[in-house]
Amino acid sequence: GQSLEQPSEVTAVEGAIVQINCTYQTSGFYGLSWYQQHDGGAPTFLSYNALDGLEETGRFSSFLSRSDSYGYLLLQELQMKDSASYFCAVSHIYNQGGKLIFGQGTELSVKP
Amino acid sequence: NAGVTQTPKFQVLKTGQSMTLQCAQDMNHNSMYWYRQDPGMGLRLIYYSASEGTTDKGEVPNGYNVSRLNKREFSLRLESAAPSQTSVYFCASSERDDDGNEQFFGPGTRLTVL
Repeated sequence: GQSLEQPSEVTAVEGAIVQINCTYQTSGFYGLSWYQQHDGGAPTFLSYNALDGLEETGRFSSFLSRSDSYGYLLLQELQMKDSASYFCAVSHIYNQGGKLIFGQGTELSVKP
Repeated sequence: NAGVTQTPKFQVLKTGQSMTLQCAQDMNHNSMYWYRQDPGMGLRLIYYSASEGTTDKGEVPNGYNVSRLNKREFSLRLESAAPSQTSVYFCASSERDDDGNEQFFGPGTRLTVL
């Protein structure tokens, strides 16, 4: 089977840095994606890692360690608008038509 | 470009009723997906279509059917709605079904089954 674990809630203050972790158990792991969702609206793509290491996109970075079955999303210079749910999602080596398995999400609250 | 559109936005059904959720994308994407999201949960894949003319089951296909009408449209049908199908339904599309390909989501349909 496949499973992902991420913290249910994280709180941080404006301007700070926060890290959201994701551990996974899956056979045939291929890549890890991150999505953001505001107030139950449409999820939006943030990043994707297939290789070990750090991918940086503006204030957001994502990291993957395949040997540790672990990844994280790093948000810097937090802003109030970053308050949202963040989901990690794994994809399978056999792809199976682009199927993603999502974690249950981490709700990030940014305080003034 | 409208991106991914879904109709209706809200729907209330009685147990046993049927309905079809509509989804269309104008990005010329090959792959399309239907997910459901229950409160406080992640998205679970119901069905997907890797390309026009093909469909396949996801994690939770029971109680649903799909039709890839053409490249743009992918509909989800509930033949006999049950309270357990109360959820928010999201349609998504991606350029192709390659791994890591960004998926674009519609605004969702909020379905309540009484």
